[in-house]
Amino acid sequence: TQLLEQSPQFLSIQEGENLTVYCNSSSVFSSLQWYRQEPGEGPVLLVTVVTGGEVKKLKRLTFQFGDARKDSSLHITAAQPGDTGLYLCAGVGNAGNMLTFGGGTRLMVKP
Amino acid sequence: SQTIHQWPATLVQPVGSPLSLECTVEGTSNPNLYWYRQAAGRGLQLLFYSVGIGQISSEVPQNLSASRPQDRQFILSSKKLLLSDSGFYLCAWGTGGGGYTFGSGTRLTVV
Repeated sequence: TQLLEQSPQFLSIQEGENLTVYCNSSSVFSSLQWYRQEPGEGPVLLVTVVTGGEVKKLKRLTFQFGDARKDSSLHITAAQPGDTGLYLCAGVGNAGNMLTFGGGTRLMVKP
Repeated sequence: SQTIHQWPATLVQPVGSPLSLECTVEGTSNPNLYWYRQAAGRGLQLLFYSVGIGQISSEVPQNLSASRPQDRQFILSSKKLLLSDSGFYLCAWGTGGGGYTFGSGTRLTVV
């Protein structure tokens, strides 16, 4: 069974601060995705990283896939209250069809 | 464009009552469909997935069942609800590599 562990589980910061969320596994994934979920809504796909070492940027969000494709990080620069939500990482296994989700990081950005 | 509809948005049911949650997808054929349950502010637990009409795979033994009577319809049911069935239920479609598209969820409270 492939498991993904996210840390921290909860993060509360002030507007303007930077933060990094981690997603770690002992398993190799063919690709890894990050989702953001707002209260009462379903998760929304932010990005997919495929190649080991790949870095993708989405405005103030930077996503990195580990060289060994076992881990990933999400870095947010100058966080804003609109970034508040639950961030989920999900790994695609070798079978290709199923996602394994991490436990999530709940981010609260205070104005 | 592909859309996914899930209803109802909220539901309060007494213990021992039946349950039926419906999910439909538009704009795609033969989608892989998934039912997830999410505890408050936490990650996603895969309950069932389906790769075609009448094909259901169960991931977790529980008080729930799923059916796929039509290509783009996925139903989550229970004959008798338990208090522990309370949670946020999410339907999704997609493939691992392409990412999942989630419905807006159903908040179920069993009283």
